[in-house]
Amino acid sequence: AQTVTQSQPEMSVQEAETVTLSCTYDTSESDYYLFWYKQPPSRQMILVIRQEAYKQQNATENRFSVNFQKAAKSFSLKISDSQLGDAAMYFCAYRSRWAGGTSYGKLTFGQGTILTVHP
Amino acid sequence: KAGVTQTPRYLIKTRGQQVTLSCSPISGHRSVSWYQQTPGQGLQFLFEYFSETQRNKGNFPGRFSGRQFSNSRSEMNVSTLELGDSALYLCASSETENTEAFFGQGTRLTVV
Repeated sequence: AQTVTQSQPEMSVQEAETVTLSCTYDTSESDYYLFWYKQPPSRQMILVIRQEAYKQQNATENRFSVNFQKAAKSFSLKISDSQLGDAAMYFCAYRSRWAGGTSYGKLTFGQGTILTVHP
Repeated sequence: KAGVTQTPRYLIKTRGQQVTLSCSPISGHRSVSWYQQTPGQGLQFLFEYFSETQRNKGNFPGRFSGRQFSNSRSEMNVSTLELGDSALYLCASSETENTEAFFGQGTRLTVV
């Protein structure tokens, strides 16, 4: 079974600064997706960025980028030029792309990291 | 395109009752998955449906069940509610079972 670990329960950053959230995962599969989701106080889960395991190039979405290290099974999220609206709980998630696997169809989440942005 | 819609947003039920939650996925999406979120256990997978078939199920008791209709809308049912079932229930839809998932706003269930 796959597991996702976020070792930082809480992080804080000053507005306009850069912060990196860590995520490691464990899987024996080679084809999968990794995601970062943001959950603000409204509780709406918002997709921030996705990474396909077969792509070596790190994904980027505006101020958000990832550092995907497949061999190390590491998937960190970098937020540049942090804004007050970035304050939220961030979840790292894994989704298998292999139809033969027992985890097919499910998202496996880490425990989450609470990000606080100071003005 | 409209997003994922979950109804109701809030529910208060008494122990022993049953409850049905509804999820309407994004148009064209055929996969719907459900998650329970609690402070203690985090986000846990309940089940996933694709084209009206349950394709995967999490480690929850049989009191938790679900179904998906031909229009991809999904419902989950919890019977004989327990205090521990109090949680935020999130529904996610995706085009297929292995693509990115988009979430609804959730249903906050409180069991008293």
